[in-house]
Amino acid sequence: DAGVTQSPTHLIKTRGQHVTLRCSPISGHKSVSWYQQVLGQGPQFIFQYYEKEERGRGNFPDRFSARQFPNYSSELNVNALLLGDSALYLCASSLWSDTDEQYFGPGTRLTVT
Amino acid sequence: DQQVKQNSPSLSVQEGRISILNCDYTNSMFDYFLWYKKYPAEGPTFLISISSIKDKNEDGRFTVFLNKSAKHLSLHIVPSQPGDSAVYFCAASGQDTGGFKTIFGAGTRLFVKA
Repeated sequence: DAGVTQSPTHLIKTRGQHVTLRCSPISGHKSVSWYQQVLGQGPQFIFQYYEKEERGRGNFPDRFSARQFPNYSSELNVNALLLGDSALYLCASSLWSDTDEQYFGPGTRLTVT
Repeated sequence: DQQVKQNSPSLSVQEGRISILNCDYTNSMFDYFLWYKKYPAEGPTFLISISSIKDKNEDGRFTVFLNKSAKHLSLHIVPSQPGDSAVYFCAASGQDTGGFKTIFGAGTRLFVKA
């Protein structure tokens, strides 16, 4: 069975641009979470979606938004990119929400120049 | 505001001995705790978890202990193997005013020497 997949693998954008990152969860998983990881830190929670509804939001500005589609895949959108948005963006899926262990994708490496 | 702290950036252990990784948290809202393992160029992999109603959970060589009064949890790996060398993240989950959240610590890099 395929694990969590993310696209693209790497991405280079310029300050002020917009970016869309995509995630496909493990088949049967209904919850998707997004994390940002910078070097030397653990993943920082951005959003959790369950059954197409936002269930949780971390301390990120409104430039960050996400959605979940009927097939449970998800997109993370970041507007007005800043240099500080350069990071590894991880997507994780789980069967339900709340206490389930999450299965992570390999991440999308975003570089903002 | 670090709600989940892993105060040891790295740990070195001899093969066959016990590895003990520690984690502290500050927010009483957390009711589920997880450990993840991460190899370079891969996403974190779930290792073991514990609910706040328990104080111990065991899975093979891995045991997680939870001390709620001290807001402290630890991961024990016995016996340690060279393949256990990786970065280990502690994570805590729960509901607060912002909805459901999972907060990760900064990680501890474990080196198991053969």
